[in-house]
Amino acid sequence: DAGITQSPRHKVTETGTPVTLRCHQTENHRYMYWYRQDPGHGLRLIHYSYGVKDTDKGEVSDGYSVSRSKTEDFLLTLESATSSQTSVYFCAIRDYTRGDTQYFGPGTRLTVL
Amino acid sequence: EDQVTQSPEALRLQEGESSSLNCSYTVSGLRGLFWYRQDPGKGPEFLFTLYSAGEEKEKERLKATLTKKESFLHITAPKPEDSATYLCAVQEGGSEKLVFGKGTKLTVNP
Repeated sequence: DAGITQSPRHKVTETGTPVTLRCHQTENHRYMYWYRQDPGHGLRLIHYSYGVKDTDKGEVSDGYSVSRSKTEDFLLTLESATSSQTSVYFCAIRDYTRGDTQYFGPGTRLTVL
Repeated sequence: EDQVTQSPEALRLQEGESSSLNCSYTVSGLRGLFWYRQDPGKGPEFLFTLYSAGEEKEKERLKATLTKKESFLHITAPKPEDSATYLCAVQEGGSEKLVFGKGTKLTVNP
């Protein structure tokens, strides 16, 4: 257990509405990540953060923004959700104390109608 | 561009029937190769990290090995509770990104 929670765990929304997903960690890790998982694709990195207010883009960042105002929270925002953003979203942290490995949260299933 | 290919896509075994899963990769400067297990509706669960060719790691019925082009996850005498999707990922030196394969779905029948 990497001490990661994600909220909400499930969400259904309409095309064009804004959506924010939250990742919360309790162990003060510096690095946090957002991935999406879709059938036929491996997990793909959306954005990551290397500290408070420090973020960078991953390979599928178009249509997404992130914010990190405190160490424990990393927010993923879809400014105007589209059906192509229907996916399962996973947050991860990088733990230097356990082999410098990424550990994943339980996921958020998002459906955009 | 980094690429990771896992085979087979799906594998059915009888309980006790040993087998191997393959992960072929191309990367410029491997920082690490990672194996995860994922159960339906859950996040990936970390299993192993391998850093250099020739390295091997074991955990219960699982053993991971690494060469310069591929990694194998050997499953010895599997049990039904080993049924899951196994994911392989690579990380290039200097990159924060994990590049994942599409996974191998393992089913172990009693």
